[in-house]
Amino acid sequence: DTGVSQDPRHKITKRGQNVTFRCDPISEHNRLYWYRQTLGQGPEFLTYFQNEAQLEKSRLLSDRFSAERPKGSFSTLEIQRTEQGDSAMYLCASSRDTQGVMNTEAFFGQGTRLTVV
Amino acid sequence: KNEVEQSPQNLTAQEGEFITINCSYSVGISALHWLQQHPGGGIVSLFMLSSGKKKHGRLIATINIQEKHSSLHITASHPRDSAVYICAVRWYYGGSQGNLIFGKGTKLSVKP
Repeated sequence: DTGVSQDPRHKITKRGQNVTFRCDPISEHNRLYWYRQTLGQGPEFLTYFQNEAQLEKSRLLSDRFSAERPKGSFSTLEIQRTEQGDSAMYLCASSRDTQGVMNTEAFFGQGTRLTVV
Repeated sequence: KNEVEQSPQNLTAQEGEFITINCSYSVGISALHWLQQHPGGGIVSLFMLSSGKKKHGRLIATINIQEKHSSLHITASHPRDSAVYICAVRWYYGGSQGNLIFGKGTKLSVKP
């Protein structure tokens, strides 16, 4: 296993277009997280999944954003009708959370840098 | 107020100096992570701590759970240590872990 992978690494799109990003977590990891990071800021939580269930969504995740993890493995994050303010680095992380084990390490992907022009 | 505060925001050091980056948090946590991010974006996990101290090479991380504070130290700093260092906490409530909450990062620049 080569770790968490994200695709594409870079995406340039015109305002108003839809984009979709993919994250492949480490294979035995049941939790998958999406974060957004703008220039000069720390990552901000968007949403996370435990297996295929989406357990929490940030209010940053407007109705133009949707995330799925249909089979509890890879996840996709779609942004519809992109706006210039959506330009950011989108980071994915995964972890294996086991009942009763509280300290599980999260592993990060390289991110997808989105530029909306 | 952010749940995770880091200081300083920016730090410039001369090669060889001892560096300390601080992180304070306000929520109950199950673990604290120190992360490194180079230009280009990828994040690498340096440490995960829930108590005490960890050391890896020239890096040392400590955490004081009672004071809700952690520090990352770099001994004998080198220009290749230049990066953004991010503190993130895994918050803990109701017997389960939530998502990671990140600080804004400390941008470190080590001059030769």
